[in-house]
Amino acid sequence: SYVLTQPPSVSVAPGKTARITCGGDNIATEGVHWYQQKSGQAPVLVIFFDTDRPSGIPDRFSGSNSENTATLTISGVEAGDEADYYCQVWDTSTEQVVFGGGTKLTVL
Amino acid sequence: QVTLRESGPALVRPTQTLTLTCTFSGFSLNTDKMCVGWFRQPPGRALEWLARIDWDDDRYYRTSLKTRLTISKDTSKNQVVLTMTDMDPADTATYFCARMTVLVQAYYSDFWGQGTLVTVSS
Repeated sequence: SYVLTQPPSVSVAPGKTARITCGGDNIATEGVHWYQQKSGQAPVLVIFFDTDRPSGIPDRFSGSNSENTATLTISGVEAGDEADYYCQVWDTSTEQVVFGGGTKLTVL
Repeated sequence: QVTLRESGPALVRPTQTLTLTCTFSGFSLNTDKMCVGWFRQPPGRALEWLARIDWDDDRYYRTSLKTRLTISKDTSKNQVVLTMTDMDPADTATYFCARMTVLVQAYYSDFWGQGTLVTVSS
């Protein structure tokens, strides 16, 4: 089965740039989606299909996908960005939704 | 405005069957490329996908739980129902439903319900 690997935690100072990675075998051939989940809340889609932002998501959030790593980049990090972030793909070979293990973003 | 809401029991006994209902508005499961998925999140752990049902009634299940899960839809009521048999304390989790859609075979969830906590205990 397809495995997505995320770092358990990322820390960043306010105003700086956070980069959260999602590793997978040849992930560049997949469409990668990213979710933000604040404590006690439902997930929120922040990036879909590698780079697209849903309506209402600030342009501080951006995504990229190359070779074996997809990356969620948050520019000008704010205290309100503190949350768990999950990457996700649809594995067409097994017809399964696959999530990464999640990354806890801490704003220092 | 798209909304989804999960409903079902908060407490289930071991070996019992869990039935959860997702009631949604703002879209139709008769519309091409529309799907609804079920997910769960054990306390302190990562999101897990459980099942998906599509506008054309195709159904997909998490491989490890396939024998225990059934997903169905009632488009007249705008509801999707998930049943999970033989519940175990390890199934204690917050269960979410979400609208799913697809772009070039990449399925993603753009709207989520608030979730419902299900505890499995005797």
